[in-house]
Amino acid sequence: DAGVTQSPTHLIKTRGQQVTLRCSPKSGHDTVSWYQQALGQGPQFIFQYYEEEERQRGNFPDRFSGHQFPNYSSELNVNALLLGDSALYLCASSNTGSFQYFGAGTRLSVL
Amino acid sequence: QKEVEQDPGPLSVPEGAIVSLNCTYSNSAFQYFMWYRQYSRKGPELLMYTYSSGNKEDGRFTAQVDKSSKYISLFIRDSQPSDSATYLCAMSQNSGGSNYKLTFGKGTLLTVNP
Repeated sequence: DAGVTQSPTHLIKTRGQQVTLRCSPKSGHDTVSWYQQALGQGPQFIFQYYEEEERQRGNFPDRFSGHQFPNYSSELNVNALLLGDSALYLCASSNTGSFQYFGAGTRLSVL
Repeated sequence: QKEVEQDPGPLSVPEGAIVSLNCTYSNSAFQYFMWYRQYSRKGPELLMYTYSSGNKEDGRFTAQVDKSSKYISLFIRDSQPSDSATYLCAMSQNSGGSNYKLTFGKGTLLTVNP
């Protein structure tokens, strides 16, 4: 049983560029949440998708947007990248009554 | 004041020691309390969870929640070098599953020396 998979593993971008990160949830899970983990910090909630709609959102600017597809996979898009967007981006999947299971993350470096 | 406070350490102990990790929180609405373990360059892995106040034991790990003090703990008995990782406390206003976001502490970096 494949767990949560994220791609790519690493990414290097320059300021002002746009980036798309991808996540495939664990089999049987229908909800995807995205978190940002800066170096030396705990993960911070960005948003959550369920039934292809954003259900909850954390304190992140509109530059951060997402999408969920009918097969429950999800994308995180970040526009106009800033140096401060450099972090590990984690995807977690779940379903009703379950706990969130995390992928290994995508490490984004903004130069 | 942050919703969840966790001493980042680092914490270094000899093999076989008892380890105590702690978090405090300010949001009374938190009902579910979790501990995740994160190895270097990996995603967090759910270690233990507790609902409301009380204790829960799983092998060498014991989780405690004191809602009256807004304080949670994770104890590791007979610590092993393989326990070396960052330990993150996380809290949720419900199951932490499909309905609500997780709020994390900063994480405590633990090293167990052979």
